[in-house]
Amino acid sequence: LAKTTQPISMDSYEGQEVNITCSHNNIATNDYITWYQQFPSQGPRFIIQGYKTKVTNEVASLFIPADRKSSTLSLPRVSLSDTAVYYCLVGDTNTGFQKLVFGTGTRLLVSP
Amino acid sequence: DGGITQSPKYLFRKEGQNVTLSCEQNLNHDAMYWYRQDPGQGLRLIYYSQIVNDFQKGDIAEGYSVSREKKESFPLTVTSAQKNPTAFYLCASSRGMNEKLFFGSGTQLSVL
Repeated sequence: LAKTTQPISMDSYEGQEVNITCSHNNIATNDYITWYQQFPSQGPRFIIQGYKTKVTNEVASLFIPADRKSSTLSLPRVSLSDTAVYYCLVGDTNTGFQKLVFGTGTRLLVSP
Repeated sequence: DGGITQSPKYLFRKEGQNVTLSCEQNLNHDAMYWYRQDPGQGLRLIYYSQIVNDFQKGDIAEGYSVSREKKESFPLTVTSAQKNPTAFYLCASSRGMNEKLFFGSGTQLSVL
């Protein structure tokens, strides 16, 4: 399984763009990169998933360089409600989510 | 209103007691999962089930048991053999083993 490394915490202010980088040096050919968001005392929520280059949806963008050894979750114009823990998961989702590992994630604190 | 319902939200266990956490989903998902989360930590997989009447151990199954008699239900029993049961328990489901996870709102279990 590909091991991931994320910053333990990040601070930002409302209206700023936040970029959270995840390192996954031993990512395998069939592995996808998936990000989840978790608020206190709630279950995680799927944000975005990608394999290469760039993926964008209504809440975030995911940038993946050609070597795929890292990825960056970009949250545009964050608000206070974006304060949460963000998890980067790497794995072959074709074989099932049971093999994906939720690490300690990145705690994002957005201030006024 | 489709989703995953976990109950109760808070649960207390006495020494030597077995307790059962409920998880129900009306998303018609085939796969269901149980995770444990300790304070400030990531999620660890306890059990998962791909289809009715079938389930597999995850990374920390000792002291826990599950059943999957109905597609929509995947209850977790924390037995007296689990010596450190205090944690936040999360149930999840997915349409298939390679589809994104949908989580419930969790059950906080504490020992009296």
